[in-house]
Amino acid sequence: DSGVTQTPKHLITATGQRVTLRCSPRSGDLSVYWYQQSLDQGLQFLIQYYNGEERAKGNILERFSAQQFPDLHSELNLSSLELGDSALYFCASSVDPNEQFFGPGTRLTVL
Amino acid sequence: ELKVEQNPLFLSMQEGKNYTIYCNYSTTSDRLYWYRQDPGKSLESLFVLLSNGAVKQEGRLMASLDTKARLSTLHITAAVHDLSATYFCAVDGFINDMRFGAGTRLTVKP
Repeated sequence: DSGVTQTPKHLITATGQRVTLRCSPRSGDLSVYWYQQSLDQGLQFLIQYYNGEERAKGNILERFSAQQFPDLHSELNLSSLELGDSALYFCASSVDPNEQFFGPGTRLTVL
Repeated sequence: ELKVEQNPLFLSMQEGKNYTIYCNYSTTSDRLYWYRQDPGKSLESLFVLLSNGAVKQEGRLMASLDTKARLSTLHITAAVHDLSATYFCAVDGFINDMRFGAGTRLTVKP
């Protein structure tokens, strides 16, 4: 158990809908990272937040957005969902960028 | 654009044998990561390599980095079944975006 929690574990929704994925980092970790893992695209880094501020941006679509709240939990919002957005979404947290701890992931299925 | 290539993509080994996974990347980077993923599970950080010539070892796994050749290797010594997993390398790009390799699915057979 990494200490990073993600909810929900599974999410099934329809095209065009909007969903919110939630991540609670390990206690004391200021950084949160979001990743997407799909069969088509492999593993992709989406975005990083540090203490509430966006720190780095990867291959995150404009339909996706994220934020980190004052209590350091983070949410990833996915809107206008397409079939291709079906994937595993991981978050990770760290206090040191050289070691990230990954949550169990949220499996999103878009029908 | 930063590209990361891993090979092989699939690797089937006998227990007790040695083998190496290769990770090539296309542009200068100062940070390279190796991760492990068990089937249906999340990612586990294995190593972070920060400088040319860096070598890190944990158990039967040893990772090294040659920044001049833009190459990292993950060497497996005397493989055991518990090492069966998918291994990913990832590289930090110039603007802090991280790119992953496609992964190497390792199967260790008795």
